[in-house]
This record gives sequence, structure tokens and C-alpha cells, in this order.
Amino acid sequence: AQSVAQPEDQVNVAEGNPLTVKCTYSVSGNPYLFWYVQYPNRGLQFLLKYITGDNLVKGSYGFEAEFNKSQTSFHLKKPSALVSDSALYFCAVRPNNAGNMLTFGGGTRLMVKP
Amino acid sequence: GAGVSQSPRYKVAKRGQDVALRCDPISGHVSLFWYQQALGQGPEFLTYFQNEAQLDKSGLPSDRFFAERPEGSVSTLKIQRTQQEDSAVYLCASSPDRALGAFFGQGTRLTVV
Repeated sequence: AQSVAQPEDQVNVAEGNPLTVKCTYSVSGNPYLFWYVQYPNRGLQFLLKYITGDNLVKGSYGFEAEFNKSQTSFHLKKPSALVSDSALYFCAVRPNNAGNMLTFGGGTRLMVKP
Repeated sequence: GAGVSQSPRYKVAKRGQDVALRCDPISGHVSLFWYQQALGQGPEFLTYFQNEAQLDKSGLPSDRFFAERPEGSVSTLKIQRTQQEDSAVYLCASSPDRALGAFFGQGTRLTVV
């Protein structure tokens, strides 16, 4: 069975600084990897995905993530954080060869301070 | 509408009451998913439909949970004899392709008292 770990419950960063939200996964076969963001009282919004190809994936709102197969990681990054980036971020995985559902991590709350 | 729509947004049920949660997916989306998100946790998979066929219901926590999508569009998640542990946000998602990520609705927050 697949699993996702987001080791940080909360990440604090100052506006304008780079941010990283960590994600590691465990899955049999090659993974499809996703990042979603959740704002208060709103549904999950898709940020980006890795299916195949270039390990560096660029997504919405200036976010990017790097797939590292040897470390089984898919960390979310942004070069310069905005206060409006403050939200709950979820990493998710799905094996490419079986199943249809996404397995989510527990989430990381990002706090960007002015 | 442009996105996945869920209703009601909030539901308070007395323990033992039956509830029905509705999901209107994005028009034309073949795949539909239900997830349960407990407070402070990530969403957990409940069930998956491809058109009207329920292909995976491995995540349903008990036989009190039942989902249907009779015409391959709108879906209903029904919970019978609700218990306090059923309190959560129930998220619906749809996708045009089962291999890709999904678009989520705002969810229904169920509180069982």
C-alpha cells in the first residue's frame, strides 16, 4: 500500500524568503505525485503534478516541486513567499499501475509573515 | 457550473439519523471520487465511480456508508445511523481522466451530535 509523509505540521517563513514544504512517499511502481492547497472553508485546489519526464515540475502561483526518485521525495518550493500563500498544503501519491484513488499526507500549514 | 458543487455545505445530524450528501461534478467528467477529511488530517479515500459504475469502494468505513451515481453524473453519499466518529468534511472530486489529478468541491462539513 502507498503512503505519504509530510514531516512538518507547520512551516513558518518571512515574506520574500524562499519556502520549502517537504513530502516523502512510499509506493510500489512508479508514482504519480500531486500537490494541493486548501484555504479556509474552501476545497482542495490543484497546484501541480508529476507524471513522467522532467523531475522539476512547475505549477500554479509560482510553485514548483522536484521529484527525487532515490530519496522518494517530492518537496514543494517557491523562490519568494507571499503572505497570501499562507494555507494548508497536501502532498498526494497514486501508483501509475494500479488503483484510482489518491493517498494524501497529513498536511503542512504554511504561515508566511510580513 | 464551472466547478464541483456539493450540498449542503454544512449538516448537523443527531446520532442515529440518516444523512445524504450530494455532489454535482464538472460536466463531462467521467471519474468521481468521495473522500473523508477528519479535523486536522489529510483526506482519506472512500469510493470511486467511473461513469455510473462504482469501481472501488474499499475506503468505505462500514456498511452504514453507501454511495451511488445512477446516471453517471450527480452522486449521493448516504450515511445511515450516523455516529459521532462520522463527523468530518466529506469531499467530492471529479476528473476527466482517471489517470490524472482531480478537481475538488468545497466539501460538506458533517457534525454528528
